[in-house]
Amino acid sequence: EDQVTQSPEALRLQEGESSSLNCSYTVSGLRGLFWYRQDPGKGPEFLFTLYSAGEEKEKERLKATLTKKESFLHITAPKPEDSATYLCAVQALNNAGNMLTFGGGTRLMVKP
Amino acid sequence: KAGVTQTPRYLIKTRGQQVTLSCSPISGHRSVSWYQQTPGQGLQFLFEYFSETQRNKGNFPGRFSGRQFSNSRSEMNVSTLELGDSALYLCASSLGPGLAEGVQYFGPGTRLTVL
Repeated sequence: EDQVTQSPEALRLQEGESSSLNCSYTVSGLRGLFWYRQDPGKGPEFLFTLYSAGEEKEKERLKATLTKKESFLHITAPKPEDSATYLCAVQALNNAGNMLTFGGGTRLMVKP
Repeated sequence: KAGVTQTPRYLIKTRGQQVTLSCSPISGHRSVSWYQQTPGQGLQFLFEYFSETQRNKGNFPGRFSGRQFSNSRSEMNVSTLELGDSALYLCASSLGPGLAEGVQYFGPGTRLTVL
């Protein structure tokens, strides 16, 4: 059974204080690993897809990396508007479709 | 390009009733998936449709069902509602089932409250 674990559950940062969010996964064969951002009362917003170990992707203050067992979302010099819940999800190779298995999320709060 | 739309946005029902939720995917997207989000269980996969056929089904009871129409629009139905069905129901669309087409884009969700 595919499993995704995110840590920490919650993270408080001061504006400008860089940090990383962790996503550990167990999957029979990884098709893709996805990062989403979710604001309260809204649907998840797509950020990145990573397909193979060693791959990295960047978008503004966010950088996602992937190893064979985990992924990190690095946040550089965060701003209050980066406050949100960040979700990690995996798609498995033995899955005929696009089904995602999600982790519990990390709730990030950035204080000015 | 318009995003994924879901109707209604909010719904209040009582136990035992049934409910139908609707989802319109991004134009050109042929795959639609449904997820349930609750504070205790997080985001859980319900089912996925592609070309009007169910491709995957999550571990939910038979009270949860869905369908997809020829224009890719999808509906999900929950019969005999229980208190535990209160949740945010999210629809996501993607181009298709292929590797390069598999990124899912989510709608704003339908907040269902069962009293």
